[in-house]
Amino acid sequence: DQQVKQNSPSLSVQEGRISILNCDYTNSMFDYFLWYKKYPAEGPTFLISISSIKDKNEDGRFTVFLNKSAKHLSLHIVPSQPGDSAVYFCAATTPPQGGSEKLVFGKGTKLTVNP
Amino acid sequence: EAQVTQNPRYLITVTGKKLTVTCSQNMNHEYMSWYRQDPGLGLRQIYYSMNVEVTDKGDVPEGYKVSRKEKRNFPLILESPSPNQTSLYFCASSLRPTFGVLHFGNGTRLTVT
Repeated sequence: DQQVKQNSPSLSVQEGRISILNCDYTNSMFDYFLWYKKYPAEGPTFLISISSIKDKNEDGRFTVFLNKSAKHLSLHIVPSQPGDSAVYFCAATTPPQGGSEKLVFGKGTKLTVNP
Repeated sequence: EAQVTQNPRYLITVTGKKLTVTCSQNMNHEYMSWYRQDPGLGLRQIYYSMNVEVTDKGDVPEGYKVSRKEKRNFPLILESPSPNQTSLYFCASSLRPTFGVLHFGNGTRLTVT
């Protein structure tokens, strides 16, 4: 059962335009969401996060939007730059249960920003 | 420099030959975890550890073992590797997995023939 879904395996945009990466989730217990970026031959790195009590979080060119009723979040990159070309993973977590915590990743979306 | 160090970066081995992938972090993080990344499947958690001597299975633990004898180290052990364990492996650490930034190592590409 895939609880975090990134339905677009790839996305291609022109430099300077907006990139929108989407993520859907099924578990209504998720209360914190994160985006990680991964370049080839490197480990993923944290990009931006959002708590379920918010619907928007912004950090420079990156904005994450959360629509809890639709169980959907999106990452907006404006303006897109060639250096943003990477695989982006959406992740979600639930509150701790029984001392155990779990972070669930989506399958990733490969973003290509063309000069 | 704060980092998660995995070794080796590349490993080619044969079926059944026991191997260990080491992972060490210098951030005094309590939480450590192992993931494997496969095409079309994203990042799947193998095992995680909330603290020293506390480990638990992730989504795909079969064929793997871990230990957490010290806070900084979290080795991944394949007692009898098989070709379906050919993958890209990542170790990660965090103060806690929630509200926490997971710091990843640079990965270990394992090929089992």
